[in-house]
Amino acid sequence: NAGVTQTPKFQVLKTGQSMTLQCAQDMNHEYMSWYRQDPGMGLRLIHYSVGAGITDQGEVPNGYNVSRSTTEDFPLRLLSAAPSQTSVYFCASSTDGSSGANVLTFGAGSRLTVL
Amino acid sequence: GQSLEQPSEVTAVEGAIVQINCTYQTSGFYGLSWYQQHDGGAPTFLSYNGLDGLEEKGRFSSFLSRSKGYSYLLLKELQMKDSASYLCAVVDSNYQLIWGAGTKLIIKP
Repeated sequence: NAGVTQTPKFQVLKTGQSMTLQCAQDMNHEYMSWYRQDPGMGLRLIHYSVGAGITDQGEVPNGYNVSRSTTEDFPLRLLSAAPSQTSVYFCASSTDGSSGANVLTFGAGSRLTVL
Repeated sequence: GQSLEQPSEVTAVEGAIVQINCTYQTSGFYGLSWYQQHDGGAPTFLSYNGLDGLEEKGRFSSFLSRSKGYSYLLLKELQMKDSASYLCAVVDSNYQLIWGAGTKLIIKP
């Protein structure tokens, strides 16, 4: 029972490079989301999806793309990395995103450094 | 706008009781959740309050007052393993979570 799996755990990029953070869940969750966590700040929502084929922007979407071709996978793409994107990224999922009691299950996180 | 305020750090003694507060201002409100996050780890769900009052789960309790925009997490019989950050988050009108910056709980023996 893997839950939410994120890869890679650590990544160093140079400014301008692109990369994809992978996220997969095996709980048949409809809702998936990506957050970034920076020191002294709360988790900030980047993008989210309420089901396969549906994505929407969160609070800080600029510089990131997502797609949801299957229920299980929700990759996050950095198009042209900038030092401001240095952060810890978390993928999270839940049964659905249309409830106040939306209990999120988080992946272990991906620590990204952009030089 | 939407905002949540939590103290950045709270210190308590092993075996004691500690209260961690969270105040919020949001345009829409569909409940408040608490998560625990150990250093270097992922947040894990602790509790959810959709209505006013106290929710109890073993050593952890969470309280909500919607009229005051206020919640607290109460931890009893503190153990060293409770040393972690505690995050409050409100559910907004789009059912998305808006997060506080977290409160680091330091427990002394």
